[in-house]
Amino acid sequence: QKEVEQNSGPLSVPEGAIASLNCTYSDRGSQSFFWYRQYSGKSPELIMFIYSNGDKEDGRFTAQLNKASQYVSLLIRDSQPSDSATYLCAGRGSARQLTFGSGTQLTVLP
Amino acid sequence: DAGVIQSPRHEVTEMGQEVTLRCKPISGHDYLFWYRQTMMRGLELLIYFNNNVPIDDSGMPEDRFSAKMPNASFSTLKIQPSEPRDSAVYFCASSLVLAGDNEQFFGPGTRLTVL
Repeated sequence: QKEVEQNSGPLSVPEGAIASLNCTYSDRGSQSFFWYRQYSGKSPELIMFIYSNGDKEDGRFTAQLNKASQYVSLLIRDSQPSDSATYLCAGRGSARQLTFGSGTQLTVLP
Repeated sequence: DAGVIQSPRHEVTEMGQEVTLRCKPISGHDYLFWYRQTMMRGLELLIYFNNNVPIDDSGMPEDRFSAKMPNASFSTLKIQPSEPRDSAVYFCASSLVLAGDNEQFFGPGTRLTVL
């Protein structure tokens, strides 16, 4: 079992809809979590991090963390075609370096 | 700052050849990471350095892979001899510290193709 698992996708949503990306983790020592966006042929770039239980909002993006269920999610409201990318979930575990999930490919259809 | 710099951006080589990938981290960042990304295995951490010292190389797949960081502004990842299964995108990343919400900044990557 990978330490960080993401729903496999690919995920397609129509423009303007909410895209929901999910991630589970196995290391209960993980304290902080990161969502990176990676456009095709580009490098990952950070879009959000979260370390407290609950929701964290930044513009159209909301990260949710539930430590009891070992679950992290990213919601993208009012999805735009420019949101089409692969989204990588990463956790900072007890070893402190980041462990990445395999990514979920999102396509937002115009 | 120019961000993390990697070279070359693309490398095509033949099986058995030596390959050297280069990275310049963001100035002032104490941590440097080498990752490999493939469709099958995703983004995998190969090795990371703290203040030029290798801390964890448990992700290095085989003895054919080696990494060095002779100074704070330069690191290399070497594959000798290269094999077709080494074909992947290799990313270098750097961060200020290794805790909390501290972000890792990725370079543009080196796309390696071994024929």
